[in-house]
Amino acid sequence: GNSVTQMEGPVTLSEEAFLTINCTYTATGYPSLFWYVQYPGEGLQLLLKATKADDKGSNKGFEATYRKETTSFHLEKGSVQVSDSAVYFCALASGGYQKVTFGIGTKLQVIP
Amino acid sequence: DTGVSQDPRHKITKRGQNVTFRCDPISEHNRLYWYRQTLGQGPEFLTYFQNEAQLEKSRLLSDRFSAERPKGSFSTLEIQRTEQGDSAMYLCASRSPIQGAQPLNTEAFFGQGTRLTVV
Repeated sequence: GNSVTQMEGPVTLSEEAFLTINCTYTATGYPSLFWYVQYPGEGLQLLLKATKADDKGSNKGFEATYRKETTSFHLEKGSVQVSDSAVYFCALASGGYQKVTFGIGTKLQVIP
Repeated sequence: DTGVSQDPRHKITKRGQNVTFRCDPISEHNRLYWYRQTLGQGPEFLTYFQNEAQLEKSRLLSDRFSAERPKGSFSTLEIQRTEQGDSAMYLCASRSPIQGAQPLNTEAFFGQGTRLTVV
């Protein structure tokens, strides 16, 4: 079956530091890949997505590239802010019903 | 706000009681999903509706769980004879219909969830 493996947190960074959160996946067919973010007290929000190999998703300074050869979709941001503190979920969707399979989530804390 | 709406936001119940949650998807979204998220874990798929038809159920959905979407709009998730292990956040998500050659991978919009605590 489908699965998503992402680095466990928590990750603590200073403001303006570089962020990488690793994510790899196992899936049948050609999944779409996503990063969702969950801010404290709020619901899941889509951060970015990529629908085919070599696509790069980007939003709010975050980027991730769909790497089929390494089955990876690592999340990066060049300079994090305190407001980026949240839990980040790597996810994939595949199959006719497009149900989403999530990773365990990585908590990011950015300190001033 | 025309996002996915879930009610209630929080529910505390005694073990053995029945509970029912409601999800109102985005208008005209015919695809609806339920997920469960326990502390420190990612959401796990429970069930999927396309219009009023329940097309897939996870093995996580025991006999005590039942979901409905009678008119293809809002959905309810009922848990009978709740157990402490049912304590979790229950999330609902919806997606727009598939149209022609549109890719299947349109975004799923999530509600804020219902947090269930069984004491």
